[in-house]
Amino acid sequence: EAGVTQSPTHLIKTRGQQATLRCSPISGHTSVYWYQQALGLGLQFLLWYDEGEERNRGNFPPRFSGRQFPNYSSELNVNALELEDSALYLCASRLTSVYEQFFGPGTRLTVL
Amino acid sequence: GQQVMQIPQYQHVQEGEDFTTYCNSSTTLSNIQWYKQRPGGHPVFLIQLVKSGEVKKQKRLTFQFGEAKKNSSLHITATQTTDVGTYFCAGPNNNAGNMLTFGGGTRLMVKP
Repeated sequence: EAGVTQSPTHLIKTRGQQATLRCSPISGHTSVYWYQQALGLGLQFLLWYDEGEERNRGNFPPRFSGRQFPNYSSELNVNALELEDSALYLCASRLTSVYEQFFGPGTRLTVL
Repeated sequence: GQQVMQIPQYQHVQEGEDFTTYCNSSTTLSNIQWYKQRPGGHPVFLIQLVKSGEVKKQKRLTFQFGEAKKNSSLHITATQTTDVGTYFCAGPNNNAGNMLTFGGGTRLMVKP
């Protein structure tokens, strides 16, 4: 069974630019979660998508947005990048009937 | 809002010593999950505890769920260098059970 995949692995942007991160969940998983993990810190919840709808968002400004496509893959967009957006962005997927989340390898975003 | 706290934040041990991390929730949890993140890696699910007072073992790892279902612990007996990483506990969010609230993690470092 293929795991959660994310692309790109690394992304370097400059302040003010926009970044798009992509996530493909495990086949059959309809829920996708996005987390931000700043260097050496914990997981900060960003967004949760299920069945194509945004179900909840964390305490992040509106310039963090995303969407979920009909095939349940998801995209995270970060507009007007700021230096403090530099972090590892993790995507996780979940099967509806269980609580366990399966994480992808992450996208390392660096804002210069 | 719901908070999940972990202590200690960091722990250095000599290989062969035992290690324990503690997790406390501000609210009663229906279940608690533990994840491990190796350096440079992504969180990987270890276990889920559901019942009050439940104890589960995985080789040298012992997981406990408190009687009041508000706290949990992970104990590693005779640590090895392969145990290095950050251990996170996570509980379902009270407002949205399909979301997880993660603790801040305990980073374990093992000296050979």
